[in-house]
Amino acid sequence: GQQLNQSPQSMFIQEGEDVSMNCTSSSIFNTWLWYKQDPGEGPVLLIALYKAGELTSNGRLTAQFGITRKDSFLNISASIPSDVGIYFCAGQNYNFNKFYFGSGTKLNVKP
Amino acid sequence: EAGVAQSPRYKIIEKRQSVAFWCNPISGHATLYWYQQILGQGPKLLIQFQNNGVVDDSQLPKDRFSAERLKGVDSTLKIQPAKLEDSAVYLCASSLMAGGRTNTQYFGPGTRLTVL
Repeated sequence: GQQLNQSPQSMFIQEGEDVSMNCTSSSIFNTWLWYKQDPGEGPVLLIALYKAGELTSNGRLTAQFGITRKDSFLNISASIPSDVGIYFCAGQNYNFNKFYFGSGTKLNVKP
Repeated sequence: EAGVAQSPRYKIIEKRQSVAFWCNPISGHATLYWYQQILGQGPKLLIQFQNNGVVDDSQLPKDRFSAERLKGVDSTLKIQPAKLEDSAVYLCASSLMAGGRTNTQYFGPGTRLTVL
């Protein structure tokens, strides 16, 4: 199956700092999605990317679809305590018609 | 617009017992997914439906897991008999369709299963 590597595995940052995380795949994807999951809840969609090179923002969040189509990046600016949670990337190759998820980046924000 | 509904939210059973989970997708969404999420890992696809047909069940342990979506709307996932390693959160997701910009998946809150 597809291999999806997400890094870093966890992060401890101070409130107000910027955060970057990324996902790389062993093959080309046509869609990248970024989700946030709070404890006891299902993942909530943050940003969807459909085109290589696409840069999309959602408030303080910005995500990019890598030019090689094998990677994607998520940046969070000026972090706040409610950003705490686990962030997942998910990629889809239309040939395989299903999504593969990264193992998640656990974000901790110290007030 | 109502989101993806799942029930129950929590279930505790003993090994070798059977259990069933229910999912009602977002209205109008043709594609429905069941995922298994083990603690500390990302969701893993178990089965994908397009309307009432199965698109992908390659990672479904068919000796003990079964799923159906008879009328192309809500779906049930069953485990019989359960094993200790089935302890996980079972997530249901739906999307408008399965390709292009219509493939964006929206998740329900999940069912947390504990097998003792």
